Amino acid sequence: DAGVIQSPRHEVTEMGQEVTLRCKPISGHNSLFWYRQTMMRGLELLIYFNNNVPIDDSGMPEDRFSAKMPNASFSTLKIQPSEPRDSAVYFCASSWDRGRGPPDTEAFFGQGTRLTVV
Amino acid sequence: KNQVEQSPQSLIILEGKNCTLQCNYTVSPFSNLRWYKQDTGRGPVSLTIMTFSENTKSNGRYTATLDADTKQSSLHITASQLSDSASYICVVCTNQAGTALIFGKGTTLSVSS
Repeated sequence: DAGVIQSPRHEVTEMGQEVTLRCKPISGHNSLFWYRQTMMRGLELLIYFNNNVPIDDSGMPEDRFSAKMPNASFSTLKIQPSEPRDSAVYFCASSWDRGRGPPDTEAFFGQGTRLTVV
Repeated sequence: KNQVEQSPQSLIILEGKNCTLQCNYTVSPFSNLRWYKQDTGRGPVSLTIMTFSENTKSNGRYTATLDADTKQSSLHITASQLSDSASYICVVCTNQAGTALIFGKGTTLSVSS
């Protein structure tokens, strides 16, 4: 498996523009996570899907952020309109959630999308 | 408040030397603790996962320890290599499903020749 695939790797956009980040999780995984990483705050969970259903979106900073998972092999994170403070590296990760049993499920991260909003 | 604190913030060591990174947490409930390695420009990669009952776990030259009583963990790197230069992130999971993760801000390790 190629691992978690994110696109684009880098995105530079002007303030006010819409940005869409894409993620293909590892085949067979049923959990997908979107994270944001900045120097100041480190890694922060934005939203978590299980079986394509959003379970916890409490980390989504504002209504400008939205995420979808139309099927088990694809997810998007959209920012509209984008602002300079959204500049960060956005990671997608996937894992297999057994639902019960030992809590040792490993999450595999993609390479991230570095977003710069100018 | 759930928090994960790591020390030192950064560390420089010579190739071949050992080092130990620290992680203190105030997280409840506790499910498991993970150490991740993040190379520059890459996503984090899991090194170890330890549950409440595990005191130590090794992955090659990496050995993680966990003291659930004092809520402390350490990551020991033996015979460091240049490729060990990375950020090491301590993460505490608070739920059974492994989805509620509290991240530390990481320790940046630089190994020089």
